[in-house]
Amino acid sequence: DAGVIQSPRHEVTEMGQEVTLRCKPISGHNSLFWYRQTMMRGLELLIYFNNNVPIDDSGMPEDRFSAKMPNASFSTLKIQPSEPRDSAVYFCASRNRDRVKQYFGPGTRLTVT
Amino acid sequence: DQQVKQNSPSLSVQEGRISILNCDYTNSMFDYFLWYKKYPAEGPTFLISISSIKDKNEDGRFTVFLNKSAKHLSLHIVPSQPGDSAVYFCAAVVYGNQFYFGTGTSLTVIP
Repeated sequence: DAGVIQSPRHEVTEMGQEVTLRCKPISGHNSLFWYRQTMMRGLELLIYFNNNVPIDDSGMPEDRFSAKMPNASFSTLKIQPSEPRDSAVYFCASRNRDRVKQYFGPGTRLTVT
Repeated sequence: DQQVKQNSPSLSVQEGRISILNCDYTNSMFDYFLWYKKYPAEGPTFLISISSIKDKNEDGRFTVFLNKSAKHLSLHIVPSQPGDSAVYFCAAVVYGNQFYFGTGTSLTVIP
C-alpha cells in the first residue's frame, strides 16, 4: 500500500503566484480531507470530501483557496493569488467513511515570499 | 476558536518513566477522540482512539483516558522510550466527519 501521496513535497513561490497542491488518496478510501498546519493553530481542517463531493468547506480561509476532487483518486488544493501568510504545511488525509481513523500524506511545505 | 486545546507545547520525560499528555475540549457533542503522533517531515500517524461512551482505551504501552465531565482526555505512555519522541496531536470528531485538532505537544524522551 503506497499510502496517501502528496506533491510537491516543497513549494517556494512568490506572492501573487498561483499554487496547486496535489493529493492521491489511498485506493478504496471514500473520504478525503485537506489540512493546514501552523504553529499558532495546529492542524486546521480546510475542507473534506465524501465520495468526491465537497461536504464542508467552512475551514477554507478565503476565496483565494479552492479545492477539487474530479475523481476518487485525485484531489487538488489551489491558492490564487498566494500570499506570505499562506506559508504552512498542507496535509491531505483519506479514510474509509465507516472508520474514524485517517491516513495522512507526508505534507507539502509551502513558502510564499 | 480552538475547540480542542493542548496547553503544554512541550514535555520532557526520562526513558522508562510515564509520559502524560493532556488535551481539553469545549464541545460536548464530540463523539470520538483520537491521538496522532508526528515525526518531523512526515504526516501524522494514528496512535489510539476512544469513543465518547468509554472512559479508557488501552493499546500496549499507550492508554487514553476520557473524563467527559471535565471535558478532558489524556494519553499515558508507559514506559516511555526514546523512539516516542515526537509531536502528539489530540483530535476530536463530531458527526463522524468534522475533525478538530489541537496544536500539538512535543514529547522528548531522554535516554
